[in-house]
Amino acid sequence: AQTVTQSQPEMSVQEAETVTLSCTYDTSESDYYLFWYKQPPSRQMILVIRQEAYKQQNATENRFSVNFQKAAKSFSLKISDSQLGDAAMYFCAYRPRAAGNKLTFGGGTRVLVKP
Amino acid sequence: GAVVSQHPSRVICKSGTSVKIECRSLDFQATTMFWYRQFPKQSLMLMATSNEGSKATYEQGVEKDKFLINHASLTLSTLTVTSAHPEDSSFYICSATGLGISYEQYFGPGTRLTVT
Repeated sequence: AQTVTQSQPEMSVQEAETVTLSCTYDTSESDYYLFWYKQPPSRQMILVIRQEAYKQQNATENRFSVNFQKAAKSFSLKISDSQLGDAAMYFCAYRPRAAGNKLTFGGGTRVLVKP
Repeated sequence: GAVVSQHPSRVICKSGTSVKIECRSLDFQATTMFWYRQFPKQSLMLMATSNEGSKATYEQGVEKDKFLINHASLTLSTLTVTSAHPEDSSFYICSATGLGISYEQYFGPGTRLTVT
């Protein structure tokens, strides 16, 4: 069974600074997707960034970037130039490539942004 | 991006009654919909997966007779909590996926259920 582990329950960052959230996963599959979702106080899940396992290049979306280490099964998220609006719960998630497959979520990391 | 709606956003019901939550894909055909439950300060727990026109597949430990799921059309799935009890109070979230959106999952805004 696939598992996703986020070892940091909470991280604090100063506005405009950088914070890195860790995520490790366990799978026997070779082709899959990894995601980072943001859940602000509104509770709406928002996709932050997506990585395809067969792509070696790390995904980036504006101030968000990932460090994908397939052999180590590690998928960290870096938030650069942190903004107050980045304060939220962040969930790492895994999904096998085949259509209709379910997401497996990590336990989440709460990000606090200090002004 | 694809839009998924949920209705109602909040519902309060008395113990012993049933409540229905709707999940709609507004601009794509959702061949598969997922229902999650989220307790305070916890992650999302998958309850069931429903494919259009088929019976839902429930995760281990989820009572299929208590949480009835119907996915009768490509744009609508419903979750009915039957004979609700206070311990069923939670935040319920649906997500939807389909060919037209490359099988990415898009999430609804969630429904807060309070059983008194």
